Amino acid sequence: DTEVTQTPKHLVMGMTNKKSLKCEQHMGHRAMYWYKQKAKKPPELMFVYSYEKLSINESVPSRFSPECPNSSLLNLHLHALQPEDSALYLCASSQGQGAFDEQFFGPGTRLTVL
Amino acid sequence: KQEVTQIPAALSVPEGENLVLNCSFTDSAIYNLQWFRQDPGKGLTSLLLIQSSQREQTSGRLNASLDKSSGRSTLYIAASQPGDSATYLCAVDGSNYQLIWGAGTKLIIKP
Repeated sequence: DTEVTQTPKHLVMGMTNKKSLKCEQHMGHRAMYWYKQKAKKPPELMFVYSYEKLSINESVPSRFSPECPNSSLLNLHLHALQPEDSALYLCASSQGQGAFDEQFFGPGTRLTVL
Repeated sequence: KQEVTQIPAALSVPEGENLVLNCSFTDSAIYNLQWFRQDPGKGLTSLLLIQSSQREQTSGRLNASLDKSSGRSTLYIAASQPGDSATYLCAVDGSNYQLIWGAGTKLIIKP
């Protein structure tokens, strides 16, 4: 199984809502990533988990809260988002958090904040 | 600071042609370079990863080369098909093992 899955595919939420994005991989990878991608731009790294511990937080606002319940799952909890947070949110995983490790991406969650 | 550039930003060619996409980077001290494909509104598909010790990688009709000394990589697509239409991104490893991305080349293959 060389797949990263993400749910939901689409999400529309108001600025006062609380929602969560989910990501799952069964490749035995020990590093997992959240990226944000705006239209016609490359992905921007948000968070990296390595061996279920947060290793990188790219100065992301606290209204985004990551969680790694186990080595296969990664969540992104959303609260009090702004319309400018609307984007495609991508999850990725790699064998480790090393320079030689190929990253595999999920299909993304298209988030719209009203 | 590592910078990655992809030229051209967009490319339109007739079906069946062979084509080359370019990726250049400013700091040759990389461990690997990855080529991705992204269909509109979709996630990224990893196409090829070239490690710094390698000069090229092949997968089907795709061939990626790497010249670290000149800071360049090319993605060669043979016998292009309409299904190859997508945006192609290259990325190199940066500090903290993060990926440094090019802006992508939007490829359109005309039937």
